[in-house]
Amino acid sequence: GIQVEQSPPDLILQEGANSTLRCNFSDSVNNLQWFHQNPWGQLINLFYIPSGTKQNGRLSATTVATERYSLLYISSSQTTDSGVYFCAVINFGNEKLTFGTGTRLTIIP
Amino acid sequence: KAGVTQTPRYLIKTRGQQVTLSCSPISGHRSVSWYQQTPGQGLQFLFEYFSETQRNKGNFPGRFSGRQFSNSRSEMNVSTLELGDSALYLCASRRGTDTEAFFGQGTRLTVV
Repeated sequence: GIQVEQSPPDLILQEGANSTLRCNFSDSVNNLQWFHQNPWGQLINLFYIPSGTKQNGRLSATTVATERYSLLYISSSQTTDSGVYFCAVINFGNEKLTFGTGTRLTIIP
Repeated sequence: KAGVTQTPRYLIKTRGQQVTLSCSPISGHRSVSWYQQTPGQGLQFLFEYFSETQRNKGNFPGRFSGRQFSNSRSEMNVSTLELGDSALYLCASRRGTDTEAFFGQGTRLTVV
């Protein structure tokens, strides 16, 4: 099946810093989403981005489908950005989301 | 517009018992899928239902089963619980193929 790798696995930053999270996938996809898992376990939707670039406030994401990767940018980090960020994909002919192992982001005041 | 609702939120069961978890998708969404999250295995796909039909199934033993009703609500059942079944169970709803998935708050199951 499709493989999804996220890097880095852990990231510790000072409040106000910028960060870039990467997601690599091993096959063509028709669905790619970024999630933030809150402390209670719920997956919060950040972006639905099978291709192209989107922005939402301090967050933006870019997926280059032909090169099989996606990037999540967080600018001017806040402590509330702490948590685990997951990338998940669905490849053609499949209906299940395959998740990466996540990036744990810790923002220090 | 209501989101995805999972009940119960927390559950403690004894080994050997069975459990049923419920998921109500967003109104108008016909696809419901279930995922298990554990510290060791990450987020793993259990199964997906669309219009009452199971379309896809993950690599889990037959003790894990599910169904979907005509109103798109879904239930998953785990029989003969084992300690290793302790996990966060997440349900996702989608309108259809090639659309965005939205997750519920999850059910945290502890098997003692």
